Amino acid sequence: QKEVEQDPGPLSVPEGAIVSLNCTYSNSAFQYFMWYRQYSRKGPELLMYTYSSGNKEDGRFTAQVDKSSKYISLFIRDSQPSDSATYLCAMKGTGGFKTIFGAGTRLFVKA
Amino acid sequence: IAGITQAPTSQILAAGRRMTLRCTQDMRHNAMYWYRQDLGLGLRLIHYSNTAGTTGKGEVPDGYSVSRANTDDFPLTLASAVPSQTSVYFCASSAQGTGELFFGEGSRLTVL
Repeated sequence: QKEVEQDPGPLSVPEGAIVSLNCTYSNSAFQYFMWYRQYSRKGPELLMYTYSSGNKEDGRFTAQVDKSSKYISLFIRDSQPSDSATYLCAMKGTGGFKTIFGAGTRLFVKA
Repeated sequence: IAGITQAPTSQILAAGRRMTLRCTQDMRHNAMYWYRQDLGLGLRLIHYSNTAGTTGKGEVPDGYSVSRANTDDFPLTLASAVPSQTSVYFCASSAQGTGELFFGEGSRLTVL
C-alpha cells in the first residue's frame, strides 16, 4: 500500500463548477499537508499549505485536513480553464525532510 | 528572478553513458532534493541534502549519486545510464524543516 493515495483522473468539469480533489494517507505521523499545481511541462508550484487539521482558504481554493480519517481535500470554486493542470497532494512529518507526494490528479476545466 | 535553475532542459543519452544533471538555487535554502516523475507514479524522491556537506537516500536512490559541496548547488549523477532512468527529473529546495518545496522546471532525460 502506498503511503499516499490519489486518484489520477482525469477529471473533466465545465467552467464555473466546484471541483473536489482528494487524497488518503496511511502514516499518522504526517503533520504538514500541501497541494501543488503543475502545468504541462512545468515544475510543481505550491498552492496550499496546512499544518495539522482544519481548513484553510485562499481565494477560490480551500484545503481541508481530516486527520482522524487520514483524508485531505482541495476544493476549487468557480473553476476556470486556467485551473486545468495536475494537482499533487503532498505530506510531511514534523521530523526529517522527506515530503511524500501523491500521484497527481489531472484536471480539465472546459470553457 | 529567485528560484531553482536546472540544466539541461532535455537530453537524449545512450545507455551506459555518464550524465550529470545540474541544479542551482539562489534562495539560500538549507535543504535540497532530487525527484523523478513518471506517469502514474508521481514524484519519487531520489536523494536529498539537509545542509551543505550532507546527503541522504530517498525512495529510489539506486543508480544515482549526489554531492552538496555548497549551499547553492546539488548535482545529480547517473554513473551508467539505463533505459529505466528515462524520466523527468525535478530539483527542489526548502527552508529548514518545512514541507514547502520550490521546484525547478525539470530536466527531461531519455536513455536509449
